[in-house]
Amino acid sequence: SAVISQKPSRDICQRGTSLTIQCQVDSQVTMMFWYRQQPGQSLTLIATANQGSEATYESGFVIDKFPISRPNLTFSTLTVSNMSPEDSSIYLCSVETGEETQYFGPGTRLLVL
Amino acid sequence: AQRVTQPEKLLSVFKGAPVELKCNYSYSGSPELFWYVQYSRQRLQLLLRHISRESIKGFTADLNKGETSFHLKKPFAQEEDSAMYYCALSGISGNTPLVFGKGTRLSVIA
Repeated sequence: SAVISQKPSRDICQRGTSLTIQCQVDSQVTMMFWYRQQPGQSLTLIATANQGSEATYESGFVIDKFPISRPNLTFSTLTVSNMSPEDSSIYLCSVETGEETQYFGPGTRLLVL
Repeated sequence: AQRVTQPEKLLSVFKGAPVELKCNYSYSGSPELFWYVQYSRQRLQLLLRHISRESIKGFTADLNKGETSFHLKKPFAQEEDSAMYYCALSGISGNTPLVFGKGTRLSVIA
């Protein structure tokens, strides 16, 4: 398994601003994923982040809106840029371990006013 | 296209009654199927995966390729089983993201 932490755990932001969410893992992992869970909805994959390469974004998500960094094998950031109320959501990072199983961070609860 | 369907948004059962949370999937290759659970105020956590064929907290799930189903079952529900349950699938080769169903909220009534 893997122990994953996220910062911040929650935030309230004004529209038009940006927020960077950090994800830290206690072991080196190749694949990290960023998901969004909108109120009352299931999890939707935003992008896959590999160390040393550009993130791969899913349909409907673009790098200008959700830039991702993956500087090493234990850390990643997701930025939500130029926020609007529609970005209010829980953002989760997950990692895949050698057991081919994904483990999730506690999530970052974002409210955009 | 990959798709996971959980037809029930909410399932209420009495304590001690059997539970079955339904999950059907659509996938062109050989998928790996998972059940994740999210208890109140806790993070999403893995409950079980089909490849392990294990029983966790009394829950089991069998992959039925003919019916493309991976229903979650427990013979006797407990109050502490009340939670949100998500069925998910990924490609069997690993290092692929998960596709989630919409989730089923299980409420066990005392």
